Amino acid sequence: AQSVTQPDIHITVSEGASLELRCNYSYGATPYLFWYVQSPGQGLQLLLKYFSGDTLVQGIKGFEAEFKRSQSSFNLRKPSVHWSDAAEYFCAVGAEGSQGNLIFGKGTKLSVKP
Amino acid sequence: NAGVTQTPKFQVLKTGQSMTLQCAQDMNHNSMYWYRQDPGMGLRLIYYSASEGTTDKGEVPNGYNVSRLNKREFSLRLESAAPSQTSVYFCASIKDRAGLWTQYFGPGTRLLVL
Repeated sequence: AQSVTQPDIHITVSEGASLELRCNYSYGATPYLFWYVQSPGQGLQLLLKYFSGDTLVQGIKGFEAEFKRSQSSFNLRKPSVHWSDAAEYFCAVGAEGSQGNLIFGKGTKLSVKP
Repeated sequence: NAGVTQTPKFQVLKTGQSMTLQCAQDMNHNSMYWYRQDPGMGLRLIYYSASEGTTDKGEVPNGYNVSRLNKREFSLRLESAAPSQTSVYFCASIKDRAGLWTQYFGPGTRLLVL
């Protein structure tokens, strides 16, 4: 069955520290991969996406993610976290020809210590 | 260009009452989606509409109906609300460029069923 796993429910990092949020997927087709961020009480904002090509993709707000097919992973990274990055992060997977349907992970909540 | 809009922002219902959640997009997107978000569950697809005049069930359609009124609008109806339908509901639409699609989300409707 198709699935997306975000192993970490909650992560706390210090401001200025680096960040890596993990995402693993199980999907039979060639995946389209996305990271969304949700601030408290807000909707979902697209951070970045991967369709094909260069496996390291750059997004907004200084985030990047790397697609590793051999590990079925699409981890999100940021070199230096800011207090405003505190939010919930969702990884999602879809595929070409899937009528745009996305499967979401359950999310990772990021807290930032001053 | 307002993107994806949802009304109302917040609603309280009593068990057994009915209501319709409204969603509209002004981006000329073909496909639209309804999700519900529950703590620790991520986003789950309720219904989607790949094009005007078509609708299909997602992962959790029970207790809901939808109408794709025209290309812009996609409504979600609860005929007889139950406390289990207390959730945050998100509408999304897809931007599709030659098969490379991305979902864009509305701000959400918070529904409390007593």
